[in-house]
Amino acid sequence: AQTVTQSQPEMSVQEAETVTLSCTYDTSESDYYLFWYKQPPSRQMILVIRQEAYKQQNATENRFSVNFQKAAKSFSLKISDSQLGDAAMYFCAYRSEGPGTSYGKLTFGQGTILTVHP
Amino acid sequence: DGGITQSPKYLFRKEGQNVTLSCEQNLNHDAMYWYRQDPGQGLRLIYYSQIVNDFQKGDIAEGYSVSREKKESFPLTVTSAQKNPTAFYLCASSRGGWETQYFGPGTRLLVL
Repeated sequence: AQTVTQSQPEMSVQEAETVTLSCTYDTSESDYYLFWYKQPPSRQMILVIRQEAYKQQNATENRFSVNFQKAAKSFSLKISDSQLGDAAMYFCAYRSEGPGTSYGKLTFGQGTILTVHP
Repeated sequence: DGGITQSPKYLFRKEGQNVTLSCEQNLNHDAMYWYRQDPGQGLRLIYYSQIVNDFQKGDIAEGYSVSREKKESFPLTVTSAQKNPTAFYLCASSRGGWETQYFGPGTRLLVL
């Protein structure tokens, strides 16, 4: 079974600075997707960014980018120019793409609480 | 507006009672999912449905039941067999199993 580990329960950053959230995963599969979701105090899960495992290029969405290291099974999220609205819990998630897998099942890490200081 | 709605926002269950959480989507998505979130933890999959009239158990299906009679609706029943139902429940949908999942606002279930 796949597992996702976020080793940083809490992180903090000053407004306008850069912060990196860590995520590692364990899998024997070669085809999969990785995601970062944000859960603000409203508790609604919001997709931040996604990465296809077959793509070597790191995904980028405005101020959010990832560092995907497939061999190391590492998938970190970098937030540049941090804003107060970035404060939330961030979850890393894994989804299998291969045959015989649970249809679309997401496996989540434990989450990292990000605090942004003005 | 297109999106996923969940109701109620808060739900209280008495001992031995079954309660039903509603999830509706108007995104024309085929796949729908139910997740449970406990404090300080990530989400765990309860049930999922690929298409109308079909659904499959996830990792923690015991004590829960679902139905999928309409494409836009995927209600979750928390039965009396679920001994620790206090949690935050999130519904999600996607165009297909291999597409990105989008989440509703969630329902907080508390036991009286």
